[in-house]
Amino acid sequence: GENVEQHPSTLSVQEGDSAVIKCTYSDSASNYFPWYKQELGKRPQLIIDIRSNVGEKKDQRIAVTLNKTAKHFSLHITETQPEDSAVYFCAAKSGGYQKVTFGTGTKLQVIP
Amino acid sequence: DGGITQSPKYLFRKEGQNVTLSCEQNLNHDAMYWYRQDPGQGLRLIYYSQIVNDFQKGDIAEGYSVSREKKESFPLTVTSAQKNPTAFYLCASSIRTSGIYEQYFGPGTRLTVT
Repeated sequence: GENVEQHPSTLSVQEGDSAVIKCTYSDSASNYFPWYKQELGKRPQLIIDIRSNVGEKKDQRIAVTLNKTAKHFSLHITETQPEDSAVYFCAAKSGGYQKVTFGTGTKLQVIP
Repeated sequence: DGGITQSPKYLFRKEGQNVTLSCEQNLNHDAMYWYRQDPGQGLRLIYYSQIVNDFQKGDIAEGYSVSREKKESFPLTVTSAQKNPTAFYLCASSIRTSGIYEQYFGPGTRLTVT
């Protein structure tokens, strides 16, 4: 089955700096890669996703890149703000099933 | 945040007792999921169901059981066979349509077994 590894597990950045979270996946058939944000005490929510036929996608301050050859994808947050502090999860979906495999999460702290 | 609900928010049980966690959605989603969240281990899939009366084991199904008799409901039973049941449990749902895979999560149930 699919295996998703995520790094780093914790990340501290100064407000205004950029943050990068990296994930690798094992199943070359994976074709959908979402990122979820979970604020403290709240439920995970989708913030951005990318499909395997796209190399990069941006939405305001966040962007995701995908390298299918190397089987890795990354989340980039620019001009970080304190409200970006949360746990971020990457995930991968393979084949025709609705099953999604999550990474272990990155706790991002943005220091004012 | 409405659309998918879980109850109760906190649940306490004695070791050896079975306990059922509720998950209900009014989003008309076909697929539903149960995840277990432990510190440092992300979201691990317990069971998922793509359609009524059908479900599949996830990565950590041992000690758990589910049913999917109605589209709106996907209850999870934590049995006494689950060796370490204390955890935060999240239910999710998604549309079963090609190209649309976003999962909507419930608020979660924190189960403590002593």
